[in-house]
Amino acid sequence: DAKTTQPPSMDCAEGRAANLPCNHSTISGNEYVYWYRQIHSQGPQYIIHGLKNNETNEMASLIITEDRKSSTLILPHATLRDTAVYYCIVRVNTGGFKTIFGAGTRLFVKA
Amino acid sequence: GAVVSQHPSRVICKSGTSVKIECRSLDFQATTMFWYRQFPKQSLMLMATSNEGSKATYEQGVEKDKFLINHASLTLSTLTVTSAHPEDSSFYICSASSGLAASYEQYFGPGTRLTVT
Repeated sequence: DAKTTQPPSMDCAEGRAANLPCNHSTISGNEYVYWYRQIHSQGPQYIIHGLKNNETNEMASLIITEDRKSSTLILPHATLRDTAVYYCIVRVNTGGFKTIFGAGTRLFVKA
Repeated sequence: GAVVSQHPSRVICKSGTSVKIECRSLDFQATTMFWYRQFPKQSLMLMATSNEGSKATYEQGVEKDKFLINHASLTLSTLTVTSAHPEDSSFYICSASSGLAASYEQYFGPGTRLTVT
């Protein structure tokens, strides 16, 4: 699976939008961009995924650049409960896939 | 969303004993299950992938004779840490995928914290 690069940590004020970047310059045409987050001492939680179009759900928005070499996860109104490690992962969406976690971005939402 | 459970949530065992961790998919059939290990302040490390009824495929550096994985049914996979030692103390997380057509989503369990004394 393609490697991703994320900043190790970010701060965000409560109520503001949190924009988490991810570089995946070697992504293949059939690989999706997935975002998960992990709150301390819990299992990872699925957030959103996309192939090439921007996606939005009740948790977040995913913006993928036209060349698909980078993406941004947007939490529109961050709360203290959004403090977590956010993982950007690229993988195929077919049988035989493996989800390999990088170091992720530790997001601190501050009051 | 789909639910994956793990049991126990935490376990303490003595060095040299074996510990079994169960992973269950509660509302879907998991054709593929994954086991991860996470040390403090580190990311998740994939240990092995198993398909129902088949032998698990272990990642490089993971001892298959020490970490026994059984995926006997579409809703249950077990990880047995044999002859556990303090360095095996870690957070073990399982994940399951239904592998349905057009949907290879992956759902994670809450994790099991193993402490070997």
